[in-house]
Amino acid sequence: EDQVTQSPEALRLQEGESSSLNCSYTVSGLRGLFWYRQDPGKGPEFLFTLYSAGEEKEKERLKATLTKKESFLHITAPKPEDSATYLCAVRSNTGNQFYFGTGTSLTVIP
Amino acid sequence: DAGITQSPRHKVTETGTPVTLRCHQTENHRYMYWYRQDPGHGLRLIHYSYGVKDTDKGEVSDGYSVSRSKTEDFLLTLESATSSQTSVYFCAISGMASGHNEQFFGPGTRLTVL
Repeated sequence: EDQVTQSPEALRLQEGESSSLNCSYTVSGLRGLFWYRQDPGKGPEFLFTLYSAGEEKEKERLKATLTKKESFLHITAPKPEDSATYLCAVRSNTGNQFYFGTGTSLTVIP
Repeated sequence: DAGITQSPRHKVTETGTPVTLRCHQTENHRYMYWYRQDPGHGLRLIHYSYGVKDTDKGEVSDGYSVSRSKTEDFLLTLESATSSQTSVYFCAISGMASGHNEQFFGPGTRLTVL
């Protein structure tokens, strides 16, 4: 069964304190792994797609990496505006469904 | 922002009443999806559509039906709402440019069933 587990559930950082969010997954053939950002009261906003182990994507202070079992979202020198819930999802190559984790709630304190 | 809207944005209804939520897109994307989001469960797929009149079930489809008579509209119907269907509902779309991998989400509908 396709499954996604994110950790930690919540993370509080001081502004400028770098850290990483984890997404562990099991899937019957990975078609893609996705990261989204969700602000309170809004729909998720697409960040990255990773397709194969070893792949990396960057956007501003965010960098996503992928191995065969997990993905990391590295946040370098975060700012308060990076505060949000970050969601991870996978899609297998045997169907059209996406499976989401429960997210990591990130709070960056000024 | 992707042109995707949901209506209504908020709804309170009573157990046993029918409810229809609407998703409208202006992107001409082929795939459309309905998710529900609940604390501790994350986003779960209810139904999706891969074209006009072409739909399929997701992992939590019981108690829900969908229809897509036009490319731009995807309707989610709760035939007889129950309290367990209190949730935030999100519509999403995806297009060929990303191989239907990148999903763009609407603003959500908060549904409360009393």
